[in-house]
Amino acid sequence: DAKTTQPNSMESNEEEPVHLPCNHSTISGTDYIHWYRQLPSQGPEYVIHGLTSNVNNRMASLAIAEDRKSSTLILHRATLRDAAVYYCILTMNTGFQKLVFGTGTRLLVSP
Amino acid sequence: SAVISQKPSRDICQRGTSLTIQCQVDSQVTMMFWYRQQPGQSLTLIATANQGSEATYESGFVIDKFPISRPNLTFSTLTVSNMSPEDSSIYLCSVVVNLAGAFNEQFFGPGTRLTVL
Repeated sequence: DAKTTQPNSMESNEEEPVHLPCNHSTISGTDYIHWYRQLPSQGPEYVIHGLTSNVNNRMASLAIAEDRKSSTLILHRATLRDAAVYYCILTMNTGFQKLVFGTGTRLLVSP
Repeated sequence: SAVISQKPSRDICQRGTSLTIQCQVDSQVTMMFWYRQQPGQSLTLIATANQGSEATYESGFVIDKFPISRPNLTFSTLTVSNMSPEDSSIYLCSVVVNLAGAFNEQFFGPGTRLTVL
């Protein structure tokens, strides 16, 4: 599996946008980019995924660089509930998701 | 989506004993996994629980230590055998659910927090 690199932690203020970066310079042409997050004392939950184009859903947006070597998860207005560890994960395809978790980014949100 | 429950939610056990963790899903699923999350660490995949056949273990995990059962498409158990303090972790099960189109999303249970004394 291709490796991802994320900052260990980031801080934000409530109601401000948050941009969480992920580097994946060894990504292959068929790798999908997934984001999961783990709220305190809970199992991880799916946030968003994409292949080449930018993606939006009710939780977040995913901006993928043109060369696909990096991506950014965008939370448009952070809330206290968004404080979590965010994982950027690559998979070969969406048919079978054997997820390999890295260390992720711990997002701290201040009121 | 899928609703996953795990039992017990937490337990404190003595070294040398075994604990069986149950994972129940509210719908039939093909793919089911077991993960371990050691204190302050990320998740590590233990094995894929296969219905009707032996589980597929990841490197570093063996059946004698982590026997897994998968009697049907909605239920699985993970046993942590002959426990030591190093087994103190959160154990999570997850399932893959097919959503719209070709995308399969993975849902996680709430986890079982195990402390071994």
